[in-house]
Amino acid sequence: DTEVTQTPKHLVMGMTNKKSLKCEQHMGHRAMYWYKQKAKKPPELMFVYSYEKLSINESVPSRFSPECPNSSLLNLHLHALQPEDSALYLCASSQTKSGGRNEQFFGPGTRLTVL
Amino acid sequence: GIQVEQSPPDLILQEGANSTLRCNFSDSVNNLQWFHQNPWGQLINLFYIPSGTKQNGRLSATTVATERYSLLYISSSQTTDSGVYFCAVLSGAGSYQLTFGKGTKLSVIP
Repeated sequence: DTEVTQTPKHLVMGMTNKKSLKCEQHMGHRAMYWYKQKAKKPPELMFVYSYEKLSINESVPSRFSPECPNSSLLNLHLHALQPEDSALYLCASSQTKSGGRNEQFFGPGTRLTVL
Repeated sequence: GIQVEQSPPDLILQEGANSTLRCNFSDSVNNLQWFHQNPWGQLINLFYIPSGTKQNGRLSATTVATERYSLLYISSSQTTDSGVYFCAVLSGAGSYQLTFGKGTKLSVIP
């Protein structure tokens, strides 16, 4: 059983909608990540949070807005998305951002369709 | 940045067969992980193996860090082994970004 959970599993939204993806980890990790994965491609890093502070933003458009309410929760707020943003969105966590055993564990993902 | 190459890109096996998947990387690594992505998209951790050999049931992995490659062995394959296998590495001091290979798509047929 995964210890990183994500909701919802599937999401369909229009280009004018506002929605949020949620991620929770139960492993006491201090780093959390959002990845985007298009079909037949590997995951691509979007954001990194370390100790609840945004550490890395990989030049992601502002229509994606991350939020880390506490060390075990990570949200991704979506607004005015485009059809090309349709993808699988994966959340991951690790003990720390870098150094030591930085093994990342992934949630089951949210499959997003933008109409 | 570091380059990660996986081979073969596609593999079709009869149930019960064995296979070897390969991951080559272009620089020294701090972390190497093997994942299995099932048809529903879940990325499942198989091994954390920056060096050495590990075994878990029918799966085993070996990383030879000095020669910059890792191998994933699947024995007695089952249909539930189908999916995409990714190798991902962290390289460099203070590194945080996993660099993924393009994956090997495995199809196990009955």
